[in-house]
Amino acid sequence: DAKTTQPTSMDCAEGRAANLPCNHSTISGNEYVYWYRQIHSQGPQYIIHGLKNNETNEMASLIITEDRKSSTLILPHATLRDTAVYYCIVRVPTNAGKSTFGDGTTLTVKP
Amino acid sequence: SAVISQKPSRDICQRGTSLTIQCQVDSQVTMMFWYRQQPGQSLTLIATANQGSEATYESGFVIDKFPISRPNLTFSTLTVSNMSPEDSSIYLCSVESSLGSMNTEAFFGQGTRLTVV
Repeated sequence: DAKTTQPTSMDCAEGRAANLPCNHSTISGNEYVYWYRQIHSQGPQYIIHGLKNNETNEMASLIITEDRKSSTLILPHATLRDTAVYYCIVRVPTNAGKSTFGDGTTLTVKP
Repeated sequence: SAVISQKPSRDICQRGTSLTIQCQVDSQVTMMFWYRQQPGQSLTLIATANQGSEATYESGFVIDKFPISRPNLTFSTLTVSNMSPEDSSIYLCSVESSLGSMNTEAFFGQGTRLTVV
């Protein structure tokens, strides 16, 4: 799996968009970008993934730069329940169970 | 997505004893995994639980310390043997599920919070 770099922590005001960056400059052509989050005392939860096009689902949007060396996870209207550790993982699409988790970004949504 | 149940959700154990953690999935899955999350740390893969054969362990983890069973496609156990305080962690069961188009995703149980005293 390619190495990723994320900020250690971020704050966001409730109701505002949370933009979480991830650098993955060594990403290979066949590797996707995946995002998970881990709310305190729970197991990680899959959020979204993408290869090179921007993606959106009911939870979030994923913006991947044209050179694919970085990406941004966007939570459009953050709530207090979005406070969690967010992990950016770069890997091939198969073998999801053997993901390498980095340190992630601790997002704190404040009222 | 798969629904994963882990038991127990938490336990406090005496050093030198062993604890067996159970993981039950609501559907048949090919791949099951066990992770450890030490206090304040990220997740580390312990092993892949293989149905019908011995588990495949990652570097730094051995069968004598973390024996794993996988009797069928919906169930697995992880035993933490001869525990010491350093084994205090959250242990998580994970399964791999298909998203279609050759893409797979990992789903996690709620974890077992183990404290060794």
